[in-house]
Amino acid sequence: NAGVTQTPKFRVLKTGQSMTLLCAQDMNHEYMYWYRQDPGMGLRLIHYSVGEGTTAKGEVPDGYNVSRLKKQNFLLGLESAAPSQTSVYFCASSPGDETQYFGPGTRLLVL
Amino acid sequence: DAKTTQPTSMDCAEGRAANLPCNHSTISGNEYVYWYRQIHSQGPQYIIHGLKNNETNEMASLIITEDRKSSTLILPHATLRDTAVYYCIVKRVDSSYKLIFGSGTRLLVRP
Repeated sequence: NAGVTQTPKFRVLKTGQSMTLLCAQDMNHEYMYWYRQDPGMGLRLIHYSVGEGTTAKGEVPDGYNVSRLKKQNFLLGLESAAPSQTSVYFCASSPGDETQYFGPGTRLLVL
Repeated sequence: DAKTTQPTSMDCAEGRAANLPCNHSTISGNEYVYWYRQIHSQGPQYIIHGLKNNETNEMASLIITEDRKSSTLILPHATLRDTAVYYCIVKRVDSSYKLIFGSGTRLLVRP
């Protein structure tokens, strides 16, 4: 089992560019989550999904969109990147409303 | 979900027990105490959780006071690899699945 994987590991964007972060899990988990972590702070929830085809907003959803077309994948999109979106992005999954398993993170720098 | 208060940083000697405290004085009866840790730049890792009884697993022990207003995470024989930020999180089972990460406790294990 690979667990939770994230692609890419690191990316540099210019302001206004778009990109998609991919999260994949091979544990057949129903729930998936996207968090961001800014320097010296805890993680904040961006969006989450409780099943294939469903998504919901978290604490800081503005500027992001998500899709869960397949159970094993959860995509996070930035339509027009801003420097304030420079952060480390973590994906997680869980079998239910319990323990979450996190991926290794994607470092994003927006210039 | 109830808020938690943790010391900003702690240290302990390698091989000794590390005792990490957490205050959650506004905890409700249907809220669990979860502990996660984040080793430098990696995704958070689940450690343990409990409701009101003390819990133990291969990683740690969780001691919850009788009034449930505070808890202590115990790493019985700390190693250098236990150096990390430890997050105490209180979460309702029927909440919107999100984990609310505070600033955590930065534990430094000294050789």
